Amino acid sequence: DAGVIQSPRHEVTEMGQEVTLRCKPISGHNSLFWYRQTMMRGLELLIYFNNNVPIDDSGMPEDRFSAKMPNASFSTLKIQPSEPRDSAVYFCASSFQLSDGLNQPQHFGDGTRLSIL
Amino acid sequence: ELKVEQNPLFLSMQEGKNYTIYCNYSTTSDRLYWYRQDPGKSLESLFVLLSNGAVKQEGRLMASLDTKARLSTLHITAAVHDLSATYFCAVDIEAPPAGVGSARQLTFGSGTQLTVLP
Repeated sequence: DAGVIQSPRHEVTEMGQEVTLRCKPISGHNSLFWYRQTMMRGLELLIYFNNNVPIDDSGMPEDRFSAKMPNASFSTLKIQPSEPRDSAVYFCASSFQLSDGLNQPQHFGDGTRLSIL
Repeated sequence: ELKVEQNPLFLSMQEGKNYTIYCNYSTTSDRLYWYRQDPGKSLESLFVLLSNGAVKQEGRLMASLDTKARLSTLHITAAVHDLSATYFCAVDIEAPPAGVGSARQLTFGSGTQLTVLP
């Protein structure tokens, strides 16, 4: 049973370049979450989707960040232009939201380790 | 704004000893998760606590939830080296209010980095 699949696992790029992170959630899950993890700020929720609809993007740092979920099996997080302070591990997680609104535990992907030089 | 505070943030303990990690949160919630993260790895779900008084145990780890005190604990019994990892608690809240297209989200604590020494 495949878990949450993220790509790439590692990305090193120069400041100013566009970065696109990809996520395939677990089949059947209807909620998808993007997190950023750094030593200084810990684990931060950037945005989450429910049934492919963005629900809350208040965690997105600034307009350089954007996320899409064109269908139930794919999401992207894009940074354009990238800056050194964007260096972090970015996790995607998915879960199933029950009819009463409660989520089953979130399953996390292996993360993308992003380094902006 | 929901605050989730874990303590201690760093914990070194000898093998065979017992210890407790605490997770306090600032708003009403009756669902709390514990996750484990090994260095350079992803987060793995350990426990889901669904109601006041809930207690879950898996091996040497036991988690409990007191929703009235807004407190969860993760108790380690007779620690072994394999338990060395960072442990996160996460509180489940409804944001925004329920409705079509709404969802619940997790707010994570800062994590407790546990090192079990031989």
